[in-house]
Amino acid sequence: GNSVTQMEGPVTLSEEAFLTINCTYTATGYPSLFWYVQYPGEGLQLLLKATKADDKGSNKGFEATYRKETTSFHLEKGSVQVSDSAVYFCALSREKTSGSRLTFGEGTQLTVNP
Amino acid sequence: SAVISQKPSRDICQRGTSLTIQCQVDSQVTMMFWYRQQPGQSLTLIATANQGSEATYESGFVIDKFPISRPNLTFSTLTVSNMSPEDSSIYLCSVAPSTDTQYFGPGTRLTVL
Repeated sequence: GNSVTQMEGPVTLSEEAFLTINCTYTATGYPSLFWYVQYPGEGLQLLLKATKADDKGSNKGFEATYRKETTSFHLEKGSVQVSDSAVYFCALSREKTSGSRLTFGEGTQLTVNP
Repeated sequence: SAVISQKPSRDICQRGTSLTIQCQVDSQVTMMFWYRQQPGQSLTLIATANQGSEATYESGFVIDKFPISRPNLTFSTLTVSNMSPEDSSIYLCSVAPSTDTQYFGPGTRLTVL
């Protein structure tokens, strides 16, 4: 079946540090891949997505590249801010239709200190 | 994208009671999803609600415990029935307006005493 594995957290960084959160997946075919972010006390917000191999999703300084050969979709940001402190979820959708279920990773808690 | 609201935003309930959570979308959508997020955990899909038909429940979730209504293309409700402290969670609805990208509501934070 489908599965998503994220690096274990929590992750604590200083402001302006480089961020990588690893995400690998197991799925047949070519799933869509997503990163969602959950700020404290809020719901999930879509951060970025990629729908095919070698696609790069980007938003708010965050990037992730769909790597079919390594079945990975690692999230990166060159310089984190305190406001990036949140929980980050990697997810996949096996079917590119509106009824497709999402499979989520465990989530990675990021804390950025000033 | 889609703008989704949920009511209530949070509630504290007594054991044995029921709570109905509302989800309103700003556009018509075919599918709506209901998730549970237990404290410190990831999201677990409860059911998928299609307008005009019975909801489809995931393994481990049953209609008697989590009845869902979907009266039209912009609205759905999830009821958490006969609550116990183990039901304390965040409940989120989501929609996928046109593709497989899901957009989430702000969540309902439920505490059961």
